Formats: sequence, C-alpha cells, structure tokens
Amino acid sequence: NAGVMQNPRHLVRRRGQEARLRCSPMKGHSHVYWYRQLPEEGLKFMVYLQKENIIDESGMPKERFSAEFPKEGPSILRIQQVVRGDSAAYFCASSPKTGGLNYGYTFGSGTRLTVV
Amino acid sequence: DQQVKQNSPSLSVQEGRISILNCDYTNSMFDYFLWYKKYPAEGPTFLISISSIKDKNEDGRFTVFLNKSAKHLSLHIVPSQPGDSAVYFCAASAETSGSRLTFGEGTQLTVNP
Repeated sequence: NAGVMQNPRHLVRRRGQEARLRCSPMKGHSHVYWYRQLPEEGLKFMVYLQKENIIDESGMPKERFSAEFPKEGPSILRIQQVVRGDSAAYFCASSPKTGGLNYGYTFGSGTRLTVV
Repeated sequence: DQQVKQNSPSLSVQEGRISILNCDYTNSMFDYFLWYKKYPAEGPTFLISISSIKDKNEDGRFTVFLNKSAKHLSLHIVPSQPGDSAVYFCAASAETSGSRLTFGEGTQLTVNP
C-alpha cells in the first residue's frame, strides 16, 4: 500500500466543520477512486476521477461531498458541514491508464475520519 | 440492495488446513471478480481475480472458483498460515460500470497456530 499515499491517517472534526482528505496516486497512475467503509461494512464506491475530470460520481452523496483531481497535486475528497454519520474510513485507490482492474488496482492505507 | 454478499462474518481454521471463503452475487452483469485481504489500519491488498469466462484461477496457495450459474465464488487458501489472518473482501465489477468495484461485507479469517 505504500505507493498510494493518503493523508492525514486520522482526522477528527467537530460537527459542522469541513474535512479535506488527500490522496496522491502511485507514480504513473492517472486514475483515482474513492471508497468509504462504514463500521462493520464493506467498502462502498464513491467517485472515480481522472486528471481534471470526474468520470463517475454515482456513489457520492448529493450534498456536502465533492471530489477533485487537479492537473497538479493530489486528489482531494472534501466533506462540508460534517455530521456524525460521516465517521468512517475513506480509502483511495489508483490505477494506470489501462488495465487497472486486471491488477486489482492499489489502495492507500486510508483516512479515518471521526466526527465528534 | 447488497449485490455482493459474504454471509460468514468470521471463519476460524487451524494452521495447515484449508480455508474456504464464500461469496454470492446477484447482479448477472458482473463479469470480473476479485478478492482482497485487509489488515487492521491498512488498505485492502489485491490477492487474486477471475474473469467470468473462467471457472478457476490459481496463484500459489490461493485459488478462486467461480460458479456462474449459482452466482457464487469462493477463495481457497491451502495451506493456511497464521499470517493469513485478516479480513477478506470479495469484489465484483461489470464492464458497463467501468472500474467501479462492488464489495461484500468481508469475512474475518483467523488461522490458529
């Protein structure tokens, strides 16, 4: 997992604050995926991005959540006005331009968000 | 709607024996299946995958079996080792949904020395 870097590893926010989660994909990877794991559940797809483009955001909540993957810099998952139900582990994965699924693409170690 | 289900939340086996983890799916559009292993406080690690055109794929101690008619797949680990103790997730993808994965809830495997 060392190739996909996520920070911070742990993030504590009070209700109503904003949370920013960062993901730097593996070198040479231009596709980024965000997943969320609620306690006692499996990972749920949120959004799929390529550089400067959102390809599939069908798993993103309609409000308060946004994601970007700028030309320069990491991908950012932003949660505005956090609520307790946002407490979860957020995982980022990256893949090369093609054939990502054939290698199961690579996950980062996750950011554990706790809303108090 | 849970399209990928792992009905056993936990499994305990003795070292050296076979571990069999099961997974069922409902979406007939799924055509690619993967197994991931996850340790606490880490991200999932890819283990093995299988395409729907196959019914078996083997990689060292790990073998995945796919039964399309039953919409069922299983992961066999032989022989099991204490280091295999982790949560195992089954995941599936459909060509129509690109690289998006649908995960099961996971099975905690414990291999006892």
